[in-house]
Amino acid sequence: DAGVTQTPRHEVAEKGQTIILKCEPVSGHNDLFWYRQTKIQGLELLSYFRSKSLMEDGGAFKDRFKAEMLNSSFSTLKIQPTEPKDSAVYLCASSLGTANTEVFFGKGTRLTVV
Amino acid sequence: GDSVTQTEGLVTLTEGLPVMLNCTYQSTYSPFLFWYVQHLNEAPKLLLKSFTDNKRPEHQGFHATLHKSSSSFHLQKSSAQLSDSALYYCALSYPYSNNRIFFGDGTQLVVKP
Repeated sequence: DAGVTQTPRHEVAEKGQTIILKCEPVSGHNDLFWYRQTKIQGLELLSYFRSKSLMEDGGAFKDRFKAEMLNSSFSTLKIQPTEPKDSAVYLCASSLGTANTEVFFGKGTRLTVV
Repeated sequence: GDSVTQTEGLVTLTEGLPVMLNCTYQSTYSPFLFWYVQHLNEAPKLLLKSFTDNKRPEHQGFHATLHKSSSSFHLQKSSAQLSDSALYYCALSYPYSNNRIFFGDGTQLVVKP
């Protein structure tokens, strides 16, 4: 039973580069989330999709972060251009989308920007 | 707006002592509350969630009681184990805001021998 799959697991980028993170949600799930996780800020919502439509786009992240969901089984998060402060773990998660259902997380992509 | 507050960023205690991690929330409607746990280098996963019929959820020795009067859903365990060391997130959702889930900032629990 496949969970949420994220690739790559680790990414090292130079400042100014463009990177694309990938996510495959649990099959049949309607909601997909992208979070940034740091020790200081905790979980920060970057984007939230419902049935492939963008429902929420984290205000502070709009200028360099762009998430897309071209089909129900695949999403990407592009960071362009990367900055050292973007170094963090990026988590993708999915759920059925009803109020009391579980959110399933991927193992994340650890991004280091040098 | 909807929000979840976890007042403690770090809780350190000795094995065998009771655990209580605080969670309070602010929401316009009656929410569903959750606790998620994340062990080192793993993905966050659901630990327990509130029931609609006010039963107390329990899992792996942890339990939490939803108190609507105080808007709280504190996580408790009678005796901490070393393996309980992890990052714990409280979260809420309800049917009136696109069903989106809102997470607190997390509490790091460190259990020492």
